[in-house]
Amino acid sequence: GAGVSQSPSNKVTEKGKDVELRCDPISGHTALYWYRQSLGQGLEFLIYFQGNSAPDKSGLPSDRFSAERTGGSVSTLTIQRTQQEDSAVYLCASSFGQIQETQYFGPGTRLLVL
Amino acid sequence: DQQVKQNSPSLSVQEGRISILNCDYTNSMFDYFLWYKKYPAEGPTFLISISSIKDKNEDGRFTVFLNKSAKHLSLHIVPSQPGDSAVYFCAASASYQLIWGAGTKLIIKP
Repeated sequence: GAGVSQSPSNKVTEKGKDVELRCDPISGHTALYWYRQSLGQGLEFLIYFQGNSAPDKSGLPSDRFSAERTGGSVSTLTIQRTQQEDSAVYLCASSFGQIQETQYFGPGTRLLVL
Repeated sequence: DQQVKQNSPSLSVQEGRISILNCDYTNSMFDYFLWYKKYPAEGPTFLISISSIKDKNEDGRFTVFLNKSAKHLSLHIVPSQPGDSAVYFCAASASYQLIWGAGTKLIIKP
């Protein structure tokens, strides 16, 4: 079966523009996570979706960041009015959502804000 | 504050020798620990995990050791192979959320 896919693989944008990043989780996985990895840093948790429950948005760094998950499957992460410090690799992962469940990652979207 | 620390940004090991990757944590509520491996331009892939009720878990060439009193875990790879060259991330959880270290770049020399 297909793994987690993300698009685009690379995105270059100008400061102030909005960007949308897409994640297609593994079919049947109810949990979906967004992370950000800045250069030389570990993965920073952004947001977590589990089934129909309200998402855990506690990791979103500012109100310029938002995410939605339609139909319990595909998710989009939107960054409005991008800033240079938003440049990072944005990673999506999915799992069956149980505690101590392995998360499966997509290849990431490399975002560069000029 | 960094709850999970990997203090070595990189490690170079001769092929065939043992690689030891270290990770320290501060939160005593963490009850599950994982190691992920990441190649360039790919997402992290799960390698091995350990529950806090154990002190060792082994899977082939990979063994993870947990020392709860020291809040320290380590990943041993033996023998090291060229394909093991990657960035290794330590992660810890107390719920569904994983807290990640900054990673250690392992380089296996031929």
